[in-house]
Amino acid sequence: DAGITQSPRHKVTETGTPVTLRCHQTENHRYMYWYRQDPGHGLRLIHYSYGVKDTDKGEVSDGYSVSRSKTEDFLLTLESATSSQTSVYFCAISETGDEKLFFGSGTQLSVL
Amino acid sequence: SQKIEQNSEALNIQEGKTATLTCNYTNYSPAYLQWYRQDPGRGPVFLLLIRENEKEKRKERLKVTFDTTLKQSLFHITASQPADSATYLCAPPYSGGYQKVTFGTGTKLQVIP
Repeated sequence: DAGITQSPRHKVTETGTPVTLRCHQTENHRYMYWYRQDPGHGLRLIHYSYGVKDTDKGEVSDGYSVSRSKTEDFLLTLESATSSQTSVYFCAISETGDEKLFFGSGTQLSVL
Repeated sequence: SQKIEQNSEALNIQEGKTATLTCNYTNYSPAYLQWYRQDPGRGPVFLLLIRENEKEKRKERLKVTFDTTLKQSLFHITASQPADSATYLCAPPYSGGYQKVTFGTGTKLQVIP
């Protein structure tokens, strides 16, 4: 399995609080992605990174920010969590960019 | 905008039979398409990638076809086993976007012993 770790695995938080999810990889892959998965919507891209300090928005980026200061770490921050951000969040990595994504185990986030 | 459609209804088949899952896309022409498997509580796992110049791709009991005229990809599992039970996701790249992959909502396959 690709070396990709997400933390925390589960988190419960309150509306209005900031939340940061971490994705750590040991594969030295250039590309990293954050997706959220919700029933009926499937996986939707939030943000992605194509290198250190190089990031771009996905289709559902409102309310989220990301940072990548090192190749191995990609952080997703919910600036002020809302109940609509309750979801399962997956991090993925890719060596080539848009092929053969390797996914982490996911973070179950509940915003109350 | 691009649209990816997979049969949202679960597919139940008898062990040993061939399962066929469908992925239809509209409003664009991806140069390739990927298929992933997802088990409950886990992240998706890459299975196969097929390019537009490849009509068919095989890996063990898996076979994928890509019909650019019909705008459709078919995913087949031959001699299906209960262990094949999972949700299967179709994943072409985003239209006009590089280094980004979009996913269908998936089809849940249940193989009955």
